[in-house]
Amino acid sequence: KAGVTQTPRYLIKTRGQQVTLSCSPISGHRSVSWYQQTPGQGLQFLFEYFSETQRNKGNFPGRFSGRQFSNSRSEMNVSTLELGDSALYLCASSDRRGAMNTEAFFGQGTRLTVV
Amino acid sequence: QKEVEQDPGPLSVPEGAIVSLNCTYSNSAFQYFMWYRQYSRKGPELLMYTYSSGNKEDGRFTAQVDKSSKYISLFIRDSQPSDSATYLCAMSLNYGGSQGNLIFGKGTKLSVKP
Repeated sequence: KAGVTQTPRYLIKTRGQQVTLSCSPISGHRSVSWYQQTPGQGLQFLFEYFSETQRNKGNFPGRFSGRQFSNSRSEMNVSTLELGDSALYLCASSDRRGAMNTEAFFGQGTRLTVV
Repeated sequence: QKEVEQDPGPLSVPEGAIVSLNCTYSNSAFQYFMWYRQYSRKGPELLMYTYSSGNKEDGRFTAQVDKSSKYISLFIRDSQPSDSATYLCAMSLNYGGSQGNLIFGKGTKLSVKP
């Protein structure tokens, strides 16, 4: 079974630009969560999508947005990039059993550098 | 006070040692507790997943949860150089059935010397 696939693996962008990151969850998993990882703040939750709907959102500005498609693939977008957005962006995939999510499995991440 | 506290280390041990990694937390509503291992330049890999208090063992790894003390631990027996990585604790609430929001500790960097 293939794991969580994130593309691209590395990205360099200039301040003010926007960026779109992609995540394909494990086959059969319907929940996708996004996290930002930085040395100073660690892993911080951005948002979660299930069945194409945002179910949960972390404490990030509106420049960070996402969406999920009918095949469960998800994208996140960051507009008007700032230097502080440089981070490893991680996607986590999980399934639902009844009303509960199962364990979350992470992709390798997209390393975003803003210059 | 942060919701989840974890000593960042670094922690250096000789091969074969027993390693103890710990996290404390402040939110008594946390129900699900996880340990992830993250190698440099890789995504976190799920090691252990427990619900509520108690112990869980998987090979050389044992996870303990003490909800009364708001304290979780991961023990690694017979540590190997390949265990050298950053270990992250994570926990989540049980609200509305969603576990999407995992709260992570900042991770402990472990080095196992041959």
